[in-house]
Amino acid sequence: DTEVTQTPKHLVMGMTNKKSLKCEQHMGHRAMYWYKQKAKKPPELMFVYSYEKLSINESVPSRFSPECPNSSLLNLHLHALQPEDSALYLCASSQGSFLEPKGYHGYTFGSGTRLTVV
Amino acid sequence: KQEVTQIPAALSVPEGENLVLNCSFTDSAIYNLQWFRQDPGKGLTSLLLIQSSQREQTSGRLNASLDKSSGRSTLYIAASQPGDSATYLCAVPGSARQLTFGSGTQLTVLP
Repeated sequence: DTEVTQTPKHLVMGMTNKKSLKCEQHMGHRAMYWYKQKAKKPPELMFVYSYEKLSINESVPSRFSPECPNSSLLNLHLHALQPEDSALYLCASSQGSFLEPKGYHGYTFGSGTRLTVV
Repeated sequence: KQEVTQIPAALSVPEGENLVLNCSFTDSAIYNLQWFRQDPGKGLTSLLLIQSSQREQTSGRLNASLDKSSGRSTLYIAASQPGDSATYLCAVPGSARQLTFGSGTQLTVLP
């Protein structure tokens, strides 16, 4: 399995809703990431999890709450979002180290969740 | 802080042409550089990964080169096809594994 699977593919939510985005990989990668991408812009890093621990939070508002229940799963919990939070949310994974004995293979991205906040 | 720049921002070519996309980075102390393709509204597909010790990587009609000393990478696409139309992004990882992306080159290959 060489994929990162994200669900749902599309999500429409109201500003008072609570929802969660899910991400799963079975490549044995020990680093997982959430990125946010607005139209015609490159992805922007939100969070990095390394060995199931949050290692980077890029000053993301608290209405976004990440969770890494185990080495294969990454969630992003959403609450009280604003319309400007509408974007494509991408999950990615990579090996835990650039110096893996069997070679480093870079980042693998999921197909994303298109989020619309109304 | 690493900065990554891609030139040109957009490129339109007739089918069959060979083309070069450029990527430059300010901090040459990189571990590797990765090229991605993104179709509209979709996720990123990895095309090529070049380790810092390598000069180039090839996959089919794609060839990526890396010159760390000058802070440059190029993606060469041979015999372009309409199906190559997409946005191409280069990215370099930082020490905490966070990726810094260029702003991308939007490629259109005309039939």
